[in-house]
Amino acid sequence: DGGITQSPKYLFRKEGQNVTLSCEQNLNHDAMYWYRQDPGQGLRLIYYSQIVNDFQKGDIAEGYSVSREKKESFPLTVTSAQKNPTAFYLCASSRQGNQPQHFGDGTRLSIL
Amino acid sequence: QKEVEQDPGPLSVPEGAIVSLNCTYSNSAFQYFMWYRQYSRKGPELLMYTYSSGNKEDGRFTAQVDKSSKYISLFIRDSQPSDSATYLCAMKIAGGGNKLTFGTGTQLKVEL
Repeated sequence: DGGITQSPKYLFRKEGQNVTLSCEQNLNHDAMYWYRQDPGQGLRLIYYSQIVNDFQKGDIAEGYSVSREKKESFPLTVTSAQKNPTAFYLCASSRQGNQPQHFGDGTRLSIL
Repeated sequence: QKEVEQDPGPLSVPEGAIVSLNCTYSNSAFQYFMWYRQYSRKGPELLMYTYSSGNKEDGRFTAQVDKSSKYISLFIRDSQPSDSATYLCAMKIAGGGNKLTFGTGTQLKVEL
């Protein structure tokens, strides 16, 4: 089945540690996105990529980094510079143009 | 003031009721409007995607857009307990890197 796979489902980070969240899609979508969801707030865009080897900062990129070496993969690294990383992280993808985004089932990141 | 306003609820209705969920927005450049359904600990699932003002129907769901009032609605007919979830509205301008602006979500509970 086509879809977006995020792993792991739950992740724990120690102080000063970088962690990487995986996002893989087999929908042949060009564009991919990372969002952060906090209680009482809408989804906020961290980074997005419209094509391989290119990506742009979203509204809250500080403390995060991404890469887009393959069309189907868009990993997100939460660095130690991100002081409040506890959240639900969602990956999405879409075709180019004004096309709707489709989401994975998220990774919940917590601090040990 | 947030660009997109959505009542967080919770909204509790009896099974079989007609549910009305709403969002207001302030940016008149928004051209595309979406409704997503999100179950607990899952990613958002696209329900409706609309462009123009007016109504769009899909099964028990009807999306309504009033651009003159900057107001969108999602109606659910014959509501079922399986409709219990958080409903997110999202919108975007034409082009703009396909960046979505989300409401905070309305929590809906349909009771037997």
